[in-house]
Amino acid sequence: EAQVTQNPRYLITVTGKKLTVTCSQNMNHEYMSWYRQDPGLGLRQIYYSMNVEVTDKGDVPEGYKVSRKEKRNFPLILESPSPNQTSLYFCASSAMISHNEQFFGPGTRLTVL
Amino acid sequence: AQTVTQSQPEMSVQEAETVTLSCTYDTSESDYYLFWYKQPPSRQMILVIRQEAYKQQNATENRFSVNFQKAAKSFSLKISDSQLGDAAMYFCAYRWLGTGNQFYFGTGTSLTVIP
Repeated sequence: EAQVTQNPRYLITVTGKKLTVTCSQNMNHEYMSWYRQDPGLGLRQIYYSMNVEVTDKGDVPEGYKVSRKEKRNFPLILESPSPNQTSLYFCASSAMISHNEQFFGPGTRLTVL
Repeated sequence: AQTVTQSQPEMSVQEAETVTLSCTYDTSESDYYLFWYKQPPSRQMILVIRQEAYKQQNATENRFSVNFQKAAKSFSLKISDSQLGDAAMYFCAYRWLGTGNQFYFGTGTSLTVIP
């Protein structure tokens, strides 16, 4: 089954404790991205990657890191989480063909205390 | 910069009636793609419909159709014969295969279906 998986689905942590949210897709997509969803703000892109070892900042990259060492994986790293990073996070992937929609993971609900 | 605007934070519709959700976008490009996504309470993002900017014909998927006005940069979603399962947050999105190949999303419209 074609899918994007994220782990964990729920996470409660404390300020400053490094964490990683994993993302994996099995569709051989070149393009992967991370979004955060906050009430009234919609989905805002954090980072994206157009292929292995190619990453770039989205609209809200501060406080986040990513890596793309393998085509299927695109982890999101919060080196020192802060309460303003409490949010719902989505990983998504897409083929580079422009008419292709993005396929989304199930989301990760992160709470930073 | 590309921006997508959904001016209706909340909408409601009676079951079996028709509702239209609005979306406008700002771009200087001529070739791009537009999407509507549905996010039910499960939070999963589900593609509803897509439209290629170079096509004049409006896209249709069963009870869902769009009114694409390229000159006005408008991309509204019409839901006919609304069902309880249509209750969700709806996001409009824009994609251009230019620099960055990014997707841009609106802030969403929360649709309530009244039995």
